[in-house]
Amino acid sequence: NAGVTQTPKFQVLKTGQSMTLQCAQDMNHNSMYWYRQDPGMGLRLIYYSASEGTTDKGEVPNGYNVSRLNKREFSLRLESAAPSQTSVYFCATSGTEVNRNQPQHFGDGTRLSIL
Amino acid sequence: EDQVTQSPEALRLQEGESSSLNCSYTVSGLRGLFWYRQDPGKGPEFLFTLYSAGEEKEKERLKATLTKKESFLHITAPKPEDSATYLCAVLPYSGTYKYIFGTGTRLKVLA
Repeated sequence: NAGVTQTPKFQVLKTGQSMTLQCAQDMNHNSMYWYRQDPGMGLRLIYYSASEGTTDKGEVPNGYNVSRLNKREFSLRLESAAPSQTSVYFCATSGTEVNRNQPQHFGDGTRLSIL
Repeated sequence: EDQVTQSPEALRLQEGESSSLNCSYTVSGLRGLFWYRQDPGKGPEFLFTLYSAGEEKEKERLKATLTKKESFLHITAPKPEDSATYLCAVLPYSGTYKYIFGTGTRLKVLA
C-alpha cells in the first residue's frame, strides 16, 4: 500500500525552465492538495482539488498551474521556473465520501532547486 | 481570519523530561484539529485527530488534548527518537476543505 507517491524526489532546474511534479494516491480520497514548505514559513497551500474535475487556488498560486487528471492523480506545473520557487513541495490527500473531516496524508516531498 | 499559532518554536529536553507543546487557534468553527510529526527529509506523519473540546487522544508517550481555543501535545518521559518537528493543523467550517497549519515546534530530546 503506497499511500501518496510523489515524483521526482529531487530536481534542479534553470530559471525559465518548466516542469511538472506528479502526485498519485491509492487511498481513494476525494481531495488532493499541493503545498510548499520553506524554512520558517510552515506549509503553504498552492492549489487544492476537492474532487475530480475541480481545482481551487490556495494561499500562494502565482507561477503554478495544476491538473486533476483523475481521482488518483494531481499534478503541479511550473511554466517558467524562478529562484523564488526553490522549495520542498508536498502533495497531500484527505476525505472520503463518508467522512470529509479527516486528517491529511502526505507524500515524502519533491525537493526543487531553481538556479 | 482563521489562524493557527504554535509555541514554542523550538524546545530542547533531556531524556525523561516531560513537557507540553501548544497550538492556539482562531477559527469561526472547528471541523477538526490534527497533530502531525515531521522528520527531516520526510512528509508530515499523522498522529492524532481531535474534534471537540474536552477530547483527549493518547499514543505511547504522547497525549493530545483540546479546548475551545487551544490544543496541547503532552510528551511524557521523552526519548531521543521523539526528536522531530510537530505540526498542528485545523480544518475550519467554511465552504471549502482547506486546512490551516501552524509553523511547528522543533523538538530535540537529548540523551
